[in-house]
Amino acid sequence: EAGVTQFPSHSVIEKGQTVTLRCDPISGHDNLYWYRRVMGKEIKFLLHFVKESKQDESGMPNNRFLAERTGGTYSTLKVQPAELEDSGVYFCASSQVDSYSYEQYFGPGTRLTVT
Amino acid sequence: TQLLEQSPQFLSIQEGENLTVYCNSSSVFSSLQWYRQEPGEGPVLLVTVVTGGEVKKLKRLTFQFGDARKDSSLHITAAQPGDTGLYLCAGAGCSANAGKSTFGDGTTLTVKP
Repeated sequence: EAGVTQFPSHSVIEKGQTVTLRCDPISGHDNLYWYRRVMGKEIKFLLHFVKESKQDESGMPNNRFLAERTGGTYSTLKVQPAELEDSGVYFCASSQVDSYSYEQYFGPGTRLTVT
Repeated sequence: TQLLEQSPQFLSIQEGENLTVYCNSSSVFSSLQWYRQEPGEGPVLLVTVVTGGEVKKLKRLTFQFGDARKDSSLHITAAQPGDTGLYLCAGAGCSANAGKSTFGDGTTLTVKP
């Protein structure tokens, strides 16, 4: 069974540009999460989808970040316009919708560098 | 905001030694996960503890959840170089926040041969 995949693995963009990150969750996992780790800090929650609906987006830093999950399968996270402080590693995770929904399986991450 | 503090932040030991990593919070979690992360990869789930006082063993790794579900520990017996990596604890919130994991800042373990 394929795990969580993320694309691209690495992205380098200039301040003010737009970047779109993609996440494909494990097949059958309705829960999808986005997290990020900025330099020297812990991994922090961004938002949680249940199928195509946003369950919790309390961790989204500001309105430059837009997450979508049309059709309830893969998800995209767009940063527009990117700022220097957006640099970091963005992780996607997925889990089942049942009593084990807290067991999240992570993708390899996308390393975003904003110059 | 629920915070998780891990200690120690860095740990360097010789092969064969035992070690314990701690994960503490002032908040109660419905469950707590331990992950291990290798460079360039995402965190890999090792174990989940759910019940206060629960102890789980995974080969040479022993995980314990505190009675009050606010803290946890990871004990490794006879560490091996292959245990080297970043160990992360993460707590799942209660009820409405159940899908949101709060991560500790990690313990970087180096086991020297």
